[in-house]
Amino acid sequence: RKEVEQDPGPFNVPEGATVAFNCTYSNSASQSFFWYRQDCRKEPKLLMSVYSSGNEDGRFTAQLNRASQYISLLIRDSKLSDSATYLCVVNDGGSYIPTFGRGTSLIVHP
Amino acid sequence: GAVVSQHPSWVICKSGTSVKIECRSLDFQATTMFWYRQFPKQSLMLMATSNEGSKATYEQGVEKDKFLINHASLTLSTLTVTSAHPEDSSFYICSARWPSGGGDLLEQFFGPGTRLTVL
Repeated sequence: RKEVEQDPGPFNVPEGATVAFNCTYSNSASQSFFWYRQDCRKEPKLLMSVYSSGNEDGRFTAQLNRASQYISLLIRDSKLSDSATYLCVVNDGGSYIPTFGRGTSLIVHP
Repeated sequence: GAVVSQHPSWVICKSGTSVKIECRSLDFQATTMFWYRQFPKQSLMLMATSNEGSKATYEQGVEKDKFLINHASLTLSTLTVTSAHPEDSSFYICSARWPSGGGDLLEQFFGPGTRLTVL
């Protein structure tokens, strides 16, 4: 299985900060990309799909760079409730089998 | 997002018994469902891909005779952990993939997970 790499963190930031996560993938044939959020002892929940042109949803912005094979997630004006683990997911081209990164832990403190 | 249910949410059993976990897509039909396992402080590990009407595809290192998967309908997949042992204790999560019509991105939606403890 092709690799999906994330910096595990933790990223420890104050409320209101802007924080960015990167995720690299090794399979150049990958077709679709997502960011999920997982709270402790809970299931992952879809945060955003990542479109080729980049997309924004409120305080969250996702970008895809196919040439360098990475996706990014930017969180602006961090809230305490943003504290969670953020998982990068890449679907292999063809089989569309999802591959998860190990996740990046974010801790937002007052 | 779409709703996926999982039952039971937790189970405690004795070593040697079998445990069945159900995963249902409640408001859409899922031809593909996935089963994951997650140990504490570790990432999700894909165990198998469950396809309606055909045999599951297991990831390397996952014993298909121990983890029986049945995708009986477009809304139900079951995972049976046979002859469970303490090392099988984990958080088991299923997901269902949104139907692929229209060239969309094939998002997954996760069930709430089943926490299995084998004594």
